[in-house]
Amino acid sequence: DGGITQSPKYLFRKEGQNVTLSCEQNLNHDAMYWYRQDPGQGLRLIYYSQIVNDFQKGDIAEGYSVSREKKESFPLTVTSAQKNPTAFYLCASSILAGQGTQPQHFGDGTRLSIL
Amino acid sequence: ELKVEQNPLFLSMQEGKNYTIYCNYSTTSDRLYWYRQDPGKSLESLFVLLSNGAVKQEGRLMASLDTKARLSTLHITAAVHDLSATYFCAVVNKARRAQKLVFGQGTRLTINP
Repeated sequence: DGGITQSPKYLFRKEGQNVTLSCEQNLNHDAMYWYRQDPGQGLRLIYYSQIVNDFQKGDIAEGYSVSREKKESFPLTVTSAQKNPTAFYLCASSILAGQGTQPQHFGDGTRLSIL
Repeated sequence: ELKVEQNPLFLSMQEGKNYTIYCNYSTTSDRLYWYRQDPGKSLESLFVLLSNGAVKQEGRLMASLDTKARLSTLHITAAVHDLSATYFCAVVNKARRAQKLVFGQGTRLTINP
C-alpha cells in the first residue's frame, strides 16, 4: 500500500538539543510538506519542497531546517533555536499543482514534547 | 495574505439533527479542500472543490463552494455519533508547483446520542 510513514510517533527533546523527525513516502509524489499543529489549532506550514534538492520556507520556518536529498524522504530538524517546539508535526505529500487536484496525503504525525 | 476562517469553532449537536459549518477565505483561490481529523490522528481528505457552484456529497456530508462569496459550507444531515471529529477547510495559496495550503482553525464537532 502506498502511503506516508512518519517516525517516531512520540519524541522528547532536552533543552539545547536538536532532534530530527523522519518522513518517507512511496506515493511517487514530487511535493512534500511539513506542518505544525498546536492543541486546538489548525495546521501551519513550516517548510515545503517541490523537487529534490530544493525547498522553501513556509509561514513558521524559524528554528527548523529540512533537507530533500531523495524524492521519497523529507526529514525535519527541530533545532535548539525553536523555543517552543512542543506540538504535533504532520508530514504531507502531493502531486504538483499543474498535474491535477488530488488532495495532500498526510502521515500519522509525530508528537514532540520538551523534557 | 490569505486567511481562512471557520465557524463555529465548537459545535455540539444531537444525533439526527442537521447543521452547517462555514469556511470563509480572504483572497481568490482555485481550489478548496475539506479534511477530517479524529483526536490524536492524522488528516483524512473528504472533499475537493474546484469551481463556483461545486457541490460534493458523501454519505451524510455535503460540501459546496461559492467562489464569488469566497465561502464554502460543510452540511451535516441527520448527524450520527461516528461523525464526531474536527473538520478543517484548507485553501490553496497561489498554487504554482507545490500546493501550499492555508488551513482554517478547525471546527470540533461533538454529536451526542
